[in-house]
Amino acid sequence: ILNVEQSPQSLHVQEGDSTNFTCSFPSSNFYALHWYRWETAKSPEALFVMTLNGDEKKKGRISATLNTKEGYSYLYIKGSQPEDSATYLCAQYNFNKFYFGSGTKLNVKP
Amino acid sequence: NAGVTQTPKFQVLKTGQSMTLQCAQDMNHNSMYWYRQDPGMGLRLIYYSASEGTTDKGEVPNGYNVSRLNKREFSLRLESAAPSQTSVYFCAGKIVGIGTGELFFGEGSRLTVL
Repeated sequence: ILNVEQSPQSLHVQEGDSTNFTCSFPSSNFYALHWYRWETAKSPEALFVMTLNGDEKKKGRISATLNTKEGYSYLYIKGSQPEDSATYLCAQYNFNKFYFGSGTKLNVKP
Repeated sequence: NAGVTQTPKFQVLKTGQSMTLQCAQDMNHNSMYWYRQDPGMGLRLIYYSASEGTTDKGEVPNGYNVSRLNKREFSLRLESAAPSQTSVYFCAGKIVGIGTGELFFGEGSRLTVL
């Protein structure tokens, strides 16, 4: 079992604020790191799949970076909007299995 | 395409009863997974099937059995339900061959064991 940790557990920001959160994972035998966005009453949906050290991916106002040597990934949201409110999950993929962190719950107030 | 479909979406059981959660996908996924989601604990892997005909235990397999009936279907069975199995269950699928392929989730099944 891989220990994937996310921080903070929850975050409350104002509309327009930029924010970021962290995913930590074991750096040995790294294969891939996934980010998912999970809105209330829906299913998780993939945001990014990252494999290479130094990788940086972007989708609109959301971006992510990856450091496989030290075992962390950051997710950034620029200019948060109320529709960004969701739980953001990261998962390490290894040997056919995904190990999820417990998520960061983001609440963006209008 | 329906994607990943789970049934039932809601179920209430009494302790000791049995039931099967069904999952079917039409996305040509090779690998399929069953997760449970509990408050503050994220998604925990119960069982997975890397390919048709194979199944393996995940992090929390006790009290569950699975069956990969064919490439499309992967069912999760609770033989004797316990209150600790009250949870939301998610089925997910992934295409193999692309090692970084993302997971596609079903809508979830909320199970309450009284």
